[in-house]
Amino acid sequence: NAGVTQTPKFQVLKTGQSMTLQCAQDMNHEYMSWYRQDPGMGLRLIHYSVGAGITDQGEVPNGYNVSRSTTEDFPLRLLSAAPSQTSVYFCASSYFPSNYGYTFGSGTRLTVV
Amino acid sequence: ELKVEQNPLFLSMQEGKNYTIYCNYSTTSDRLYWYRQDPGKSLESLFVLLSNGAVKQEGRLMASLDTKARLSTLHITAAVHDLSATYFCAVDIDLTGTASKLTFGTGTRLQVTL
Repeated sequence: NAGVTQTPKFQVLKTGQSMTLQCAQDMNHEYMSWYRQDPGMGLRLIHYSVGAGITDQGEVPNGYNVSRSTTEDFPLRLLSAAPSQTSVYFCASSYFPSNYGYTFGSGTRLTVV
Repeated sequence: ELKVEQNPLFLSMQEGKNYTIYCNYSTTSDRLYWYRQDPGKSLESLFVLLSNGAVKQEGRLMASLDTKARLSTLHITAAVHDLSATYFCAVDIDLTGTASKLTFGTGTRLQVTL
């Protein structure tokens, strides 16, 4: 099925550990982005990419790193996990302009202890 | 900085009643979306509103956009329990010729009771 695939669905990390959240889309969308969702705060943009080799920071980029080597993949790296990064992470993709909306992945629930 | 405000944040309503969720935003937008989220699930696209005066309807939900007032509404007609979920509006603004930024409201948690 066409769409946005995120892995893993759940993850528990210890403080200081690093990990990569995977995101892949098969719709040939140029635009991909990562959001975190925290209770009472909606979704906030972490990083985004407008195409392979091009990334930029969003609203809350500190502690996260991204790269885009292919159109399909947009991994999010946590460099040294902190409890404040406990959240649900969503990857989204779209054409530009996004006149048909954004497609969201199923999310990754991350807990940092 | 763009701010997107939704109200109410929580809405408890009886089945069969009508109600409206409001979404105000602070700067000119290029697109506005409404999403639904069920607990523990991803976001489901409901409506894409592209221009002033746009109105879209799907079942018991109707969304409208007034770009001059920077206001979008999501109207619920004759609510049923299946509509219980959290509803988000999100405003999309073009940053460059190839990129845009999507900013979400804080969401409205809707609970429909018998």
